[in-house]
Amino acid sequence: SQQGEEDPQALSIQEGENATMNCSYKTSINNLQWYRQNSGRGLVHLILIRSNEREKHSGRLRVTLDTSKKSSSLLITASRAADTASYFCATYSNYGGATNKLIFGTGTLLAVQP
Amino acid sequence: DAGVTQSPTHLIKTRGQQVTLRCSPISGHKSVSWYQQVLGQGPQFIFQYYEKEERGRGNFPDRFSARQFPNYSSELNVNALLLGDSALYLCASSLASGNNSPLHFGNGTRLTVT
Repeated sequence: SQQGEEDPQALSIQEGENATMNCSYKTSINNLQWYRQNSGRGLVHLILIRSNEREKHSGRLRVTLDTSKKSSSLLITASRAADTASYFCATYSNYGGATNKLIFGTGTLLAVQP
Repeated sequence: DAGVTQSPTHLIKTRGQQVTLRCSPISGHKSVSWYQQVLGQGPQFIFQYYEKEERGRGNFPDRFSARQFPNYSSELNVNALLLGDSALYLCASSLASGNNSPLHFGNGTRLTVT
């Protein structure tokens, strides 16, 4: 079963606009990760935010984490056509465990129109 | 440095046949995980191997098996293929096992079962 659920399922914006995607999860976590997937290809790790962090930045990406609400958001600022992709949040299945079994959400499909 | 490489990139099989997918991790990475991604969904965990030992197994039937070799490369085998096994199979490697290791994905093997 999916641990995380992304919202919205699909998002279409114009180049230069900001894109915000949300993720909710169900269990306690050490950290939460965001990945990007271009059509039909592998996933690329974007950013990892630890459970004791509330906000993290990486270039045009800003991630927030609210552990009390079990939710996270990914903001992409000044979007570009190349940002068109599916975005997934992921958490580990067992808190503090020795495996790295990631549980992925259903993804948000972002389309950036030139 | 080379990323995670998977072979073949595409594969077409008939129901009932068997398939072997291959994965080479990033140099120095000792953990390999396999994921199945059905169209329109997030990746689903199948197996994780670390130092040639199985560390985790997802909710997949016994028709799915895997192994890891001394050079840390890995194979995923699926027997008695069903139409529902048609998916993108993703391999991911990481330096270590555990909750703080981001995964590095290959571009996947697209399996079509007819």
